[in-house]
This record gives sequence, C-alpha cells and structure tokens, in this order.
Amino acid sequence: QVNLLQSRAALVKPGASVKLSCKASGYTFTDYYIHWVKQSHGKSLEWIGYINPNSGYTNYNEKFKSKATLTVDKSTNTAYMELSRLTSEDSATYYCTRRVTTGYYFDYWGQGVMVTVSS
Amino acid sequence: DIQMTQSPASLSASLGETVTIECRASEDIYNGLAWYQQKPGKSPQLLIYNANSLHTGVPSRFSGSGSGTQYSLKINSLQSEDVASYFCQQYYNYPYTFGAGTKLELK
Repeated sequence: QVNLLQSRAALVKPGASVKLSCKASGYTFTDYYIHWVKQSHGKSLEWIGYINPNSGYTNYNEKFKSKATLTVDKSTNTAYMELSRLTSEDSATYYCTRRVTTGYYFDYWGQGVMVTVSS
Repeated sequence: DIQMTQSPASLSASLGETVTIECRASEDIYNGLAWYQQKPGKSPQLLIYNANSLHTGVPSRFSGSGSGTQYSLKINSLQSEDVASYFCQQYYNYPYTFGAGTKLELK
C-alpha cells in the first residue's frame, strides 16, 4: 500500500535551516510528482511546490522560492525539503503529498511534520 | 494567483442532515477543483476531484458539483465520522491555492 512517511517533528532556532524528509513506499517513486504543502497552526493550506523525482525538475510557489529547496534521492525513494533562514512565520506543519498521474490533485499525503522555530 | 473563497467558515449540523459547503474562485478554473477532508491531528484526505468525481473508497453521501467559478460539496445524511474540516483546492493554475476551510461540527 502507498505510504509517505515523514520525518519527526523539529525544533529549530531562528535563522537556522531544517531538512524534512518524505520516504515513499508501495509504488514506483519516479512515476509520481511529490508536492509539499504548509499548514500554519490548524489554519488553511499553502502549496509550496513540487519535484519530479525522475528528472529532478522543480516548480515553486513564488512565495516560497527563497525559502524552500526540494530534492530527491532515488536510491532511497525519499523526497526532501530544506527550509532556510527560519523565522517564527515558518512554524507550521508541513506535508508531502503525491500527485496523481492522471490529473493534478493529491491522492496520498504524508502524516505531516511539525516544525517549531524558537530560540 | 487564483483566490478561493470558501464558506461558511464553520458549520453545525445534526446527524442525518444534509450540509453544503461552497467555494468560489476568483476566475474560471474549468472544474480543476478538489475537496479534501481533514480530521483533527490528521493529514487531508481526498474526497472529490475534477469538481464532481468521487475518489475511490469515499462514501457516496459525498458529492461535488459546480462549474466556472462556483463549486460546492454536499454531504447527505451526515454521520458522526464526518466531523472534520473541509478544504477546496484549485489545480487549474499554479500556484495551487486552497480555500480557508470549513469546520463541520455536530449540533
């Protein structure tokens, strides 16, 4: 069965960076784009961007272009998102999610990882 | 960016009741719309895609409709397990955008 397993919660200091992981299983990793979504404290959702695991091609929401960097490791079926120069505004739950091959919506989501930025 | 205006922000309904949640896009999104259900502490789950197609395994009491800029999610015969937040998402154009969400509670 399809599973997207995300890394543990992170507590990071302002100005630092954090790298979140999303390990895929139960399907062919390179066949599906991985997207990342931010949810700030139970509020709504913001699309950050996506990566094509096969080619490494990325597309970012302009709002997150200088904040997030998406990468993959095909040898371990893992997608990563690095968030840089963290501030309190980056404290949120981050989800990885898989885009279906036949459309542009998301059929499976990771369990989410909470990032807290605090000194 | 396409703005998604979702209403109501919260909704209280009784078991067995029918509820409707609306989403309005700031421009025509040509049915490029999905609805997700999110229970507390859980990740969103796909309910409806392409505005009116039911995702595999989703109960048939959920349905989606609409076109152009106006879309809605209807839940017939509300069950206790439907207590959750609901979000619409447009994927017609990048950046993908979501509605602010509707929190559904039992009366």
